[in-house]
Amino acid sequence: EVQLVESGGGLVKPGGSLRLSCAASGFSFSTYSMNWVRQAPGQGLEWVASISSSSTYTYYADSAKVRFIISRDNAKNSLILQMDSLRAEDTGIYYCTRDSFQGSGNYFPDQSHYDYWGQGTLVTVSS
Amino acid sequence: QSVLTQPPSASGTPGQRVTISCSGSSSNIGSNIVNWYQQRPGTAPKLLIYSDNQWPSGVPDRFSGSRSGTSASLAISGLQSEDEANYYCAAWDDSVHGLLFGTGTKVTVL
Repeated sequence: EVQLVESGGGLVKPGGSLRLSCAASGFSFSTYSMNWVRQAPGQGLEWVASISSSSTYTYYADSAKVRFIISRDNAKNSLILQMDSLRAEDTGIYYCTRDSFQGSGNYFPDQSHYDYWGQGTLVTVSS
Repeated sequence: QSVLTQPPSASGTPGQRVTISCSGSSSNIGSNIVNWYQQRPGTAPKLLIYSDNQWPSGVPDRFSGSRSGTSASLAISGLQSEDEANYYCAAWDDSVHGLLFGTGTKVTVL
């Protein structure tokens, strides 16, 4: 059974940092691209970042560029989102998702979908 | 247009058919596949339709998707109370090199 379990959320002051983790199990993590999606309170879904299976390719939403870094540790079946210079508008639930794209070569995010989602971790940026 | 526009709400009685539209542009829906996600209250989103009109395992065929030009749509036939949820379309945008989600549609079963 595919499982994605996020952790690392919490309350942080504006300008602070947080490191989110996603523990994956039940599938061959190292062969799948992965993503982060967030949802502000009472709002819709917003894509944050994507990473290919071997970390060769990364993509970021404009809101995440420069401040966030997506990475992965295939040996530990773990997806990471390092978030710096946090702002109030970064508040929300952060979901880890598995990409349908599987493979070690090129990554085609325009052809994929998010077939599994974690339950999310809540990030609150407030003074 | 770096946004996918959906109607904020839709409703129907049990058994009825409901359709949700998703309007984009040539750089997103006009060029790439559309996926649909369902999010029931208090839960994580779930994949509902992928590659415009394909069903993941376990999704009933009461749900169907289509894409034409720069628009896509999701139809729910035989509406059931369990279909009350928010629905989001999503497509990659070649201009911004990122994934766009639709604005979301809340479906209410009357």
